Amino acid sequence: QQQVKQSPQSLIVQKGGIPIINCAYENTAFDYFPWYQQFPGKGPALLIAIRPDVSEKKEGRFTISFNKSAKQFSLHIMDSQPGDSATYFCAASTEDAGNMLTFGGGTRLMVKP
Amino acid sequence: NAGVTQTPKFQVLKTGQSMTLQCAQDMNHNSMYWYRQDPGMGLRLIYYSASEGTTDKGEVPNGYNVSRLNKREFSLRLESAAPSQTSVYFCASSNKGGSTEAFFGQGTRLTVV
Repeated sequence: QQQVKQSPQSLIVQKGGIPIINCAYENTAFDYFPWYQQFPGKGPALLIAIRPDVSEKKEGRFTISFNKSAKQFSLHIMDSQPGDSATYFCAASTEDAGNMLTFGGGTRLMVKP
Repeated sequence: NAGVTQTPKFQVLKTGQSMTLQCAQDMNHNSMYWYRQDPGMGLRLIYYSASEGTTDKGEVPNGYNVSRLNKREFSLRLESAAPSQTSVYFCASSNKGGSTEAFFGQGTRLTVV
């Protein structure tokens, strides 16, 4: 049973476009929602994270939107670049459980020049 | 600063063989984790260690054992490898507590034939 569902599985956009990746979760105890970026042959690396007491967080070209009532959160990449081509994972955890992350299935993003 | 180091990077095993995946971190983190990554399923937690001397099962522990050798090192052992264990394995570490970044190694690509 996948507690964090991510969509789409793959996404192709043109340079400058705004890819949006969506995640939905089931466990209302989750209180930390990070996004990880993974390049081929590398381990995932933290990109941006949000806690449920805010509805939006922006870091550079990356924005998380969070809807607590709908149990959904999404990643927007503004002015996307070919260097953003990677696999993106949403995740969730609870403070009581330390940093044991439950991951979504991943989205493979390709940004065309 | 090496971060999280995993060895080996690649391994091919025959069904029934055993092997140990090694992981070491130099960030003085309390918590360490083993995940496996399979296409479309994100990363799934195999085992974790909240602190030196403790280990607990994650989502998919069957067929694996772990050892937290000291604060730096956390190994994953496959006693009798099966084709279903073909995957990419990632070790990660973090400081205990929610909202803290997990740092991942570069992964071990394991093929069981």
